[in-house]
Amino acid sequence: NAGVMQNPRHLVRRRGQEARLRCSPMKGHSHVYWYRQLPEEGLKFMVYLQKENIIDESGMPKERFSAEFPKEGPSILRIQQVVRGDSAAYFCASSPPGVNPTYEQYFGPGTRLTVT
Amino acid sequence: AQSVAQPEDQVNVAEGNPLTVKCTYSVSGNPYLFWYVQYPNRGLQFLLKYITGDNLVKGSYGFEAEFNKSQTSFHLKKPSALVSDSALYFCAVRDGRGFQKLVFGTGTRLLVSP
Repeated sequence: NAGVMQNPRHLVRRRGQEARLRCSPMKGHSHVYWYRQLPEEGLKFMVYLQKENIIDESGMPKERFSAEFPKEGPSILRIQQVVRGDSAAYFCASSPPGVNPTYEQYFGPGTRLTVT
Repeated sequence: AQSVAQPEDQVNVAEGNPLTVKCTYSVSGNPYLFWYVQYPNRGLQFLLKYITGDNLVKGSYGFEAEFNKSQTSFHLKKPSALVSDSALYFCAVRDGRGFQKLVFGTGTRLLVSP
């Protein structure tokens, strides 16, 4: 039973390029969350999605960042025109169907983005 | 607004001794509390959660946590530490009013010496 999959594991981009991070949730999970971890800091919530819907994007920067979770395929976190401050580890998590606050979230291994 | 505080950046303990990693929280609704562990260059692994009921929650790898409503705390404990427990530990809270996101503390690095 595969866990949450993320790719790539490491991504290097030059300033101004685009970064695309992919996340496949655990089998049977329909809720996806993205978090960002800056060096020596905790995880900060970015966005919560269900299939074809953005439910909560209160943690997303207003510009350059977008996320989607299409009907088919993985969830994508897209960062346009990356800057050095975007360098961080980006974690995806998933949880089972249903809005239930008791469910724990299962995390992927993360994508480490380095902007040069 | 939800928040979590982990007052210690690092906890040092000798192998075989008991360990405690502290966490306090603030939420408006009923708290749902979680502990996760992160090993170097890895994702977060779920350890345990408090939902309701018994204030002492048992989890993976011999860890347990005690929920204290009056002190708004959820401290992580283990009776006998192992060197392999050395890692970064995160406490997280979810507001029971229906907000799905987890709010994390800044993490506590646990170092268990042989």
